Amino acid sequence: DAGVIQSPRHEVTEMGQEVTLRCKPISGHDYLFWYRQTMMRGLELLIYFNNNVPIDDSGMPEDRFSAKMPNASFSTLKIQPSEPRDSAVYFCASSPGLAGGRTDTQYFGPGTRLTVL
Amino acid sequence: GNSVTQMEGPVTLSEEAFLTINCTYTATGYPSLFWYVQYPGEGLQLLLKATKADDKGSNKGFEATYRKETTSFHLEKGSVQVSDSAVYFCALRDPASGGSYIPTFGRGTSLIVHP
Repeated sequence: DAGVIQSPRHEVTEMGQEVTLRCKPISGHDYLFWYRQTMMRGLELLIYFNNNVPIDDSGMPEDRFSAKMPNASFSTLKIQPSEPRDSAVYFCASSPGLAGGRTDTQYFGPGTRLTVL
Repeated sequence: GNSVTQMEGPVTLSEEAFLTINCTYTATGYPSLFWYVQYPGEGLQLLLKATKADDKGSNKGFEATYRKETTSFHLEKGSVQVSDSAVYFCALRDPASGGSYIPTFGRGTSLIVHP
């Protein structure tokens, strides 16, 4: 398996622009997570999905942030409009889930480094 | 609520030195405990885990023992290599908490190993 795939790997944009980050989870995984990592705040959970349904979005910082999972193999995180304080590395992770004796290990993608000027 | 506390870094060691990174936790129930490692420019990856008291997780020469009495899960390695330079995250998943599938991560501890 190719692992969790994220695109783009780097994004530089100007304040006020819309940014869309993309994630393809590992096939067969039931859970998908979006995280943000900064030096100041560490690793923050933004939102997670179970079987394509958003379960907890309490970590989404503002209404400017939205996430969707239209099917089991694709998710997006959108920031509109973007601001300089959104600059961070955004990670997507997927997990099989514990059903059927599987594991709760999280598998992270390589991240998208976002810079908002 | 749940929390994970790690020693602040960076931890700087010479090659072949002994490593300990401390991790303590607070949880409502009986959590599973994890160590993840993040190499430069990459995402986190699981290093080891333990699911019950006195379990020892081990991988790549790293070990950590689930100590329920001290609520700790310290990471150790007998002889570090330059290639171990990375950020190490302690984490827990507490099945007793609401939102029980959400893991709680520590802030991470940076390890720098010099030749």
